Amino acid sequence: DTGVSQNPRHKITKRGQNVTFRCDPISEHNRLYWYRQTLGQGPEFLTYFQNEAQLEKSRLLSDRFSAERPKGSFSTLEIQRTEQGDSAMYLCASSSPGTGVEEQYFGPGTRLTVT
Amino acid sequence: AQTVTQSQPEMSVQEAETVTLSCTYDTSESDYYLFWYKQPPSRQMILVIRQEAYKQQNATENRFSVNFQKAAKSFSLKISDSQLGDAAMYFCAPLEGGSEKLVFGKGTKLTVNP
Repeated sequence: DTGVSQNPRHKITKRGQNVTFRCDPISEHNRLYWYRQTLGQGPEFLTYFQNEAQLEKSRLLSDRFSAERPKGSFSTLEIQRTEQGDSAMYLCASSSPGTGVEEQYFGPGTRLTVT
Repeated sequence: AQTVTQSQPEMSVQEAETVTLSCTYDTSESDYYLFWYKQPPSRQMILVIRQEAYKQQNATENRFSVNFQKAAKSFSLKISDSQLGDAAMYFCAPLEGGSEKLVFGKGTKLTVNP
């Protein structure tokens, strides 16, 4: 296993278009997270899944954003009607079940540019 | 909710020297965890070191150590014998007990000069 993977790595889209990103976590990890990182800032939490259940959502996740993890493996993050303010790096992370607080392993991110 | 302050936007260090990156945070919880993550240019975020708030002993990982001052809500990272590969953005991130949400500071950009 080579770690968390994200596709695509870069996405350029026009304002108003819909985009979808995919995250494949480390295979035995049942927790999956999405973060957004804008230029010069630290990542901001968007949402979190345990298996297929979406357990926590940030208020940053407006109704134009939706995330799914239908089979508890890979996850998708869709942004509808993109706006220029959506331009950012979208990071995915995963962690193993464990009995305590486990390290979150991050993917390389998907860089979104909205023109 | 938490706030995280990394007061040094940029730091530089000479190779083989020691540097300390500062972080303060605000939480009302007594049970929480603290992490330092490293994000090299155009590469993914990796964990450098973690500290459980209930532990008084400061965490160490090879050349990396922390100075955890719980009462002051301070969590600084010391890098000893700095190497060129240490050049990166460093983020401090607390995680409250019962939550899965890392809260990141704005980061400190570390430059290592040969």
